[in-house]
Amino acid sequence: AQSVTQPDIHITVSEGASLELRCNYSYGATPYLFWYVQSPGQGLQLLLKYFSGDTLVQGIKGFEAEFKRSQSSFNLRKPSVHWSDAAEYFCAVFSSGSARQLTFGSGTQLTVLP
Amino acid sequence: GAGVSQSPSNKVTEKGKDVELRCDPISGHTALYWYRQSLGQGLEFLIYFQGNSAPDKSGLPSDRFSAERTGGSVSTLTIQRTQQEDSAVYLCASSPSGRAETQYFGPGTRLLVL
Repeated sequence: AQSVTQPDIHITVSEGASLELRCNYSYGATPYLFWYVQSPGQGLQLLLKYFSGDTLVQGIKGFEAEFKRSQSSFNLRKPSVHWSDAAEYFCAVFSSGSARQLTFGSGTQLTVLP
Repeated sequence: GAGVSQSPSNKVTEKGKDVELRCDPISGHTALYWYRQSLGQGLEFLIYFQGNSAPDKSGLPSDRFSAERTGGSVSTLTIQRTQQEDSAVYLCASSPSGRAETQYFGPGTRLLVL
């Protein structure tokens, strides 16, 4: 069965600093990978996704992620964090087998200091 | 265009009562998903509808949970004889075809069982 691990429960960065959120997945076939963001009291908003092709994918709000098959990772990065980026971030893998669903990691809560 | 909508946004109920949660997916999307987000369990898949096919109920936690989708559009998630452990945010998502593609999430229904 597929699984997603986000090892960092909580990360704190200063505004303007760079950010990297880690995500490791376990999936037998070619993974379809997503990063979603959730602000307090809101649903999930897609930041970016990887299906195939270029392993460096660009998303909204200046985020990017790099798919590394050898490390089973799909880390999210941003060169300069803004206060509005404070939220919870979820990495997910889509199962394209008989059970079509997203399997989510446990999330990383991002705090941005002024 | 309009996104996924859910109602009610908040629901407080007493233990043992039945509740119904509604999801209105994006027009034209054939796939509809229900997920549950709780403090202890994170984001969990509950059920998946694809067109007129039989739903994938593999994520439903007990037989107190059921869901239906009428006319391939609106879906209702019903929880019978609610328990305190059912307290969570229930998220609905839809996607165009149910393949490996972006799922668009609604704002969720926050359920509190007293």
